Amino acid sequence: AQSVTQLGSHVSVSEGALVLLRCNYSSSVPPYLFWYVQYPNQGLQLLLKYTSAATLVKGINGFEAEFKKSETSFHLTKPSAHMSDAAEYFCAVSANFGNEKLTFGTGTRLTIIP
Amino acid sequence: DAGITQSPRHKVTETGTPVTLRCHQTENHRYMYWYRQDPGHGLRLIHYSYGVKDTDKGEVSDGYSVSRSKTEDFLLTLESATSSQTSVYFCAIRGTSGSYNEQYFGPGTRLTVT
Repeated sequence: AQSVTQLGSHVSVSEGALVLLRCNYSSSVPPYLFWYVQYPNQGLQLLLKYTSAATLVKGINGFEAEFKKSETSFHLTKPSAHMSDAAEYFCAVSANFGNEKLTFGTGTRLTIIP
Repeated sequence: DAGITQSPRHKVTETGTPVTLRCHQTENHRYMYWYRQDPGHGLRLIHYSYGVKDTDKGEVSDGYSVSRSKTEDFLLTLESATSSQTSVYFCAIRGTSGSYNEQYFGPGTRLTVT
């Protein structure tokens, strides 16, 4: 079974500051990990994914995430926040074989302070 | 764009009435999913389908049924709507060639049960 914990349901950062959104996972088998972004009144959009090819994953809009097996973490970062980054972000996990389902975290709402 | 549409996009209905939500995809994906999104809960899987007439339950399937009579359409039915089913419903498909279980989402249906 897999599960995901996102620490902090709300995060606020100043424009231009570092964005750090935290995700810890639990999985009995090697995982695939994903970050999704949801803008108001829209569906979820895939930001990036970890598939074991590389521990540092780069995604769209300047975001990246690092897989750390020893810490069971997959935190999302962006060096410099932009107003357009304001959205809700979801971390998700799947087993790397034999499981076609994703398990989502409860989400982190990111607010950008001008 | 995964070619996913949902209808209706908004619906208000009364307690006890049946409601059917439709998900339509144009790219012949085998796997389709229905989620509900509620504040503080993230996305929770209701039902999913792995082919025509092949469906299975998710974690919050009580009160919901699904049907898939052709590849492109996945229907979610609330047999007798309750206020606890007021939510935003998302349909998703699983990516195919070269994918690692990532899913792509439709725009959502906002359902209000009064």
